[in-house]
Amino acid sequence: DAGVTQSPTHLIKTRGQHVTLRCSPISGHKSVSWYQQVLGQGPQFIFQYYEKEERGRGNFPDRFSARQFPNYSSELNVNALLLGDSALYLCASSLGGAEETQYFGPGTRLLVL
Amino acid sequence: GENVEQHPSTLSVQEGDSAVIKCTYSDSASNYFPWYKQELGKGPQLIIDIRSNVGEKKDQRIAVTLNKTAKHFSLHITETQPEDSAVYFCAVLSMDTGRRALTFGSGTRLQVQP
Repeated sequence: DAGVTQSPTHLIKTRGQHVTLRCSPISGHKSVSWYQQVLGQGPQFIFQYYEKEERGRGNFPDRFSARQFPNYSSELNVNALLLGDSALYLCASSLGGAEETQYFGPGTRLLVL
Repeated sequence: GENVEQHPSTLSVQEGDSAVIKCTYSDSASNYFPWYKQELGKGPQLIIDIRSNVGEKKDQRIAVTLNKTAKHFSLHITETQPEDSAVYFCAVLSMDTGRRALTFGSGTRLQVQP
């Protein structure tokens, strides 16, 4: 079975631009979470979606938004990019409901110049 | 919110030795504790997890112990091999209403010397 897939793998943007990152969860999983991992640190929670509804949001500005589609794939959008948004963006997939186990994708590495 | 501290930040062992990484957490309501291994350029890979109704769990060379009273849990790797070299993260599931957000430790870089 395919694991969590993310696209693109790498991305270079300039300050002020907008970016969209995509994630496809493991087949049968209904929940997607997004994390930001700055170099040398642990991942930080951004959003969680379950059954197309936002179930939680971390301490990130309104420039960050996300959505989940009927096929359970998800997009993370970041507006007005800042240099500090440079990071590895990770998507995690889980069954949802009461199931806690989260499986991570390979991530999208974003560089903001 | 939840606070997770992880030690040590770096760990170097000889092949065949054991490695132990420790984490403490702050929210006594947390009840799920996974460990992830992250290799360079890759996403975190779940290697073992434990729930609060269990004190210890083992999977081949890897084991995790949990002390809920003291709010700490540890990863034990026995008979280390060079391919165990990676960054290891502990995590705790935050029990904020409705969501299942993981709070991660700062990571331990394990180097296994052949």
